[in-house]
Amino acid sequence: KQEVTQIPAALSVPEGENLVLNCSFTDSAIYNLQWFRQDPGKGLTSLLLIQSSQREQTSGRLNASLDKSSGRSTLYIAASQPGDSATYLCAVPLLVYNNAGNMLTFGGGTRLMVKP
Amino acid sequence: ETGVTQSPTHLIKTRGQQVTLRCSSQSGHNTVSWYQQALGQGPQFIFQYYREEENGRGNFPPRFSGLQFPNYSSELNVNALELDDSALYLCASSLGLTIDGYTFGSGTRLTVV
Repeated sequence: KQEVTQIPAALSVPEGENLVLNCSFTDSAIYNLQWFRQDPGKGLTSLLLIQSSQREQTSGRLNASLDKSSGRSTLYIAASQPGDSATYLCAVPLLVYNNAGNMLTFGGGTRLMVKP
Repeated sequence: ETGVTQSPTHLIKTRGQQVTLRCSSQSGHNTVSWYQQALGQGPQFIFQYYREEENGRGNFPPRFSGLQFPNYSSELNVNALELDDSALYLCASSLGLTIDGYTFGSGTRLTVV
């Protein structure tokens, strides 16, 4: 059974800091890994999707890396801003379904607060 | 192009009652996946509907059931509600069985008292 863990569970930083969020998964046979953002009481917004053949993806101030062999992914946020305050979730496809993988297993999330 | 819409946004039910939650998929999408997110946790996969058939199911009891209509909108039904069913219920739509364009709705907040 695939298990996804995110560390830390919560993080509070001053504005302007660069930060790293961690995601680990127990089985490296994944098709892809996705990072999402969730604002309080809201749905999820996809930030970055990394296919298994890729090592990283970048979007603006966000950079996500994937190391399948070690079962790890990191989300790097550069020059953090108060608007980045949200919960960040990583997700991988459920193992039992050997398809293109749109049934997801999520980590517990990292709740980020960026203080002005 | 409209996104994924869920209704209602909030509701309160009493233990033992039944509830129906609704999800309208994004235009052009034919797959709907449902998730349960308890407070402070990540979403957990409930089931997925593809072309009106259940295509996969997570570790949820049979009192969680679903339906997909010809227009690809979907319903999640929960019978015999328990206090632990209190959660944010999210649906996501996509085209086919790929992760491309996977779009979440804003969710329905269910409180069971």
